[in-house]
Amino acid sequence: EPEVTQTPSHQVTQMGQEVILRCVPISNHLYFYWYRQILGQKVEFLVSFYNNEISEKSEIFDDQFSVERPDGSNFTLKIRSTKLEDSAMYFCASSENRMPTDTQYFGPGTRLTVL
Amino acid sequence: AQKITQTQPGMFVQEKEAVTLDCTYDTSDQSYGLFWYKQPSSGEMIFLIYQGSYDEQNATEGRYSLNFQKARKSANLVISASQLGDSAMYFCAMREAYNTDKLIFGTGTRLQVFP
Repeated sequence: EPEVTQTPSHQVTQMGQEVILRCVPISNHLYFYWYRQILGQKVEFLVSFYNNEISEKSEIFDDQFSVERPDGSNFTLKIRSTKLEDSAMYFCASSENRMPTDTQYFGPGTRLTVL
Repeated sequence: AQKITQTQPGMFVQEKEAVTLDCTYDTSDQSYGLFWYKQPSSGEMIFLIYQGSYDEQNATEGRYSLNFQKARKSANLVISASQLGDSAMYFCAMREAYNTDKLIFGTGTRLQVFP
C-alpha cells in the first residue's frame, strides 16, 4: 500500500540553524501539507501546497518557513533560523484532491529538537 | 470556540470490550468531512475512518465505526472487540467546505486497553 515517507525521523539542531525536512508524498496525490505537533499538544496545520504554489497557510507559517517541491517526488519544509519553540513533531501529508471528502494521509513524522 | 472537542483525555477498556471515544464539532458549513486518526506511541498518524456530512449511513471500517449524529454535531468513534494494540492516542479532525485545505484537530483521547 502506498505511503507517505519522511526523512529524517529525528533531527537535532542548534538554535539559529537552518533545517530542511523532507517528504515523499504518495505518488498520484496532488495536494501536500505540513502539520506540526508540539509535544503533548494537538496537531496544527502549517501549510498546503498544490501545483507548485502555496495554497493556504496558517499564522504559524511565517517568513522563517518555506516549502518547495524541488523535483517530481520530494516535498520539503525549510525552517530558516530555528528557535527553541520550533521543537515539535512535523508531519507531512498528502491527498489526491482537495475536497472535504478527501483523506489526508500522514507520514511517520520528523521529530525536530532545537537546542 | 473550539471547532473540535474531545472531552475524554483518557479512557480505559478491557480487551475484547467495545469503547466509544467522543467527538463534537462546531461548523456553520453544510459540507464538511470528519476523520479519525490513531497515533501510537511511535508517533505516526494513522487514518482510521471518514464520515462525510452528507452521508446518511454511519461509516464503518472493520472494527471501527463512526456514530454520526448530525443534529447534535457529534462524531463518536466506536472500537469493537478492543485489542492491546489499540492502545494509542486518538484524534478527531474536521475539514470544512471547499475553500480551506486544513484539517482541524481535537486534543485527542488516550486509550489504554488492558488484558
